[in-house]
Parts: sequence; C-alpha cells; structure tokens
Amino acid sequence: QQQVKQSPQSLIVQKGGISIINCAYENTAFDYFPWYQQFPGKGPALLIAIRPDVSEKKEGRFTISFNKSAKQFSLHIMDSQPGDSATYFCAASTGGFKTIFGAGTRLFVKA
Amino acid sequence: NAGVTQTPKFQVLKTGQSMTLQCAQDMNHEYMSWYRQDPGMGLRLIHYSVGAGITDQGEVPNGYNVSRSTTEDFPLRLLSAAPSQTSVYFCASGTANTGELFFGEGSRLTVL
Repeated sequence: QQQVKQSPQSLIVQKGGISIINCAYENTAFDYFPWYQQFPGKGPALLIAIRPDVSEKKEGRFTISFNKSAKQFSLHIMDSQPGDSATYFCAASTGGFKTIFGAGTRLFVKA
Repeated sequence: NAGVTQTPKFQVLKTGQSMTLQCAQDMNHEYMSWYRQDPGMGLRLIHYSVGAGITDQGEVPNGYNVSRSTTEDFPLRLLSAAPSQTSVYFCASGTANTGELFFGEGSRLTVL
C-alpha cells in the first residue's frame, strides 16, 4: 500500500516549458509536504516544501500547489531548463519525522 | 562541512553474508533514518531513530537491524544478506523543527 502516490513516472519537457508533477496522499495526519530533487549518483536534496495551512508556495521558478480537501499536491517548474533534468520525489511526514516518499518522476528537459 | 557520511560507497556480498552500512552526521540532528532506493519504487523507509537509544521500524524493516548509541551514528546491519536486498541505501538526518532531511551520497550494495 503506497501512502504517497506520484505521477507521472517520467516527463519530457521542452526548454522554457512548464513541468508539472502530481502527488496524492492518504494519511490525513501528514503535516509536512516536501519535494526533493536528485541528480544521478547523488543523494536527494530538499527543493521546496509546504505545510497544509497554505494552498501555494513559490520559490523562484518552483511552485507547490496544495489541495487539502482532495489530499493532493503538485510541483510546477516554470521556464524549465536542461539543468532541471533530474529525478523529483514528493514526500509527506508527520511532525517532521518518518518521511514517506513517492515513487519519483524522471524529468528530462530538451534543449 | 561533512554533513551525512556513508561508508562504504560500494559493496558486493554473497547470499548469507552479514555486513554493516555506516552512517555518521555532524549536524547534531536528533532524527536519523535509512532508506533503500530501487528503480520504480522511490525511496522506502527501512528504520528510523528520533534520538539516541530510540529506534523504530519504517515501511520495509525485515532483514535489517539498527541501533543508535550516539547522536552522531546510525549503523544499518544486514544479518544474512539476500539478493532482494540489492539496492542503493541512503542515510538521512534532520530535525523536527524544519522537517528537512539531509541525505548522504548513498551506498550501492549488490548481493549475489
């Protein structure tokens, strides 16, 4: 039983386009929803995160949209660049501990 | 600035052998955890610890043991390795204040 479901598995976007990755969760006790970025051969690193008391958070070209009633959240990458090509993971946790990850999305941005 | 350090980076085992993956952090984080990463499965939580002397199971704990005798170290033990444990293992640490996890660079384990 996957607690955090992520889609799509892979995504190809043209340079300058918008990349959108979606996640859904089941456990209403989750109170922290981060997105992590991973490059080949490296560990994941925090990209952006949101708590359920807000519906949107923006940091530069990266935006999280959060829909508490639907138990869904998404990552939007505006003006996607080849350097954004990586694997992206959504995640959820309770109290900052026991973080559960989605299956990941491999993003490729074509130059 | 070391952050989270994992050793070894690569290891090949035969079925039934035992080994320990080491993880150390120098950020005084109370929380530490182990994940395994498999293609198409994302990162799955094996075990975690919220402080020295306190550990708990994650999503896929079977076949793995952990202990936390100090704040800095959180080793992961495989008592009798199986081919199904072939994976890339990541250690992560963090604090409840922010929820952010800091990952090591991973340990690639192959069990023949």
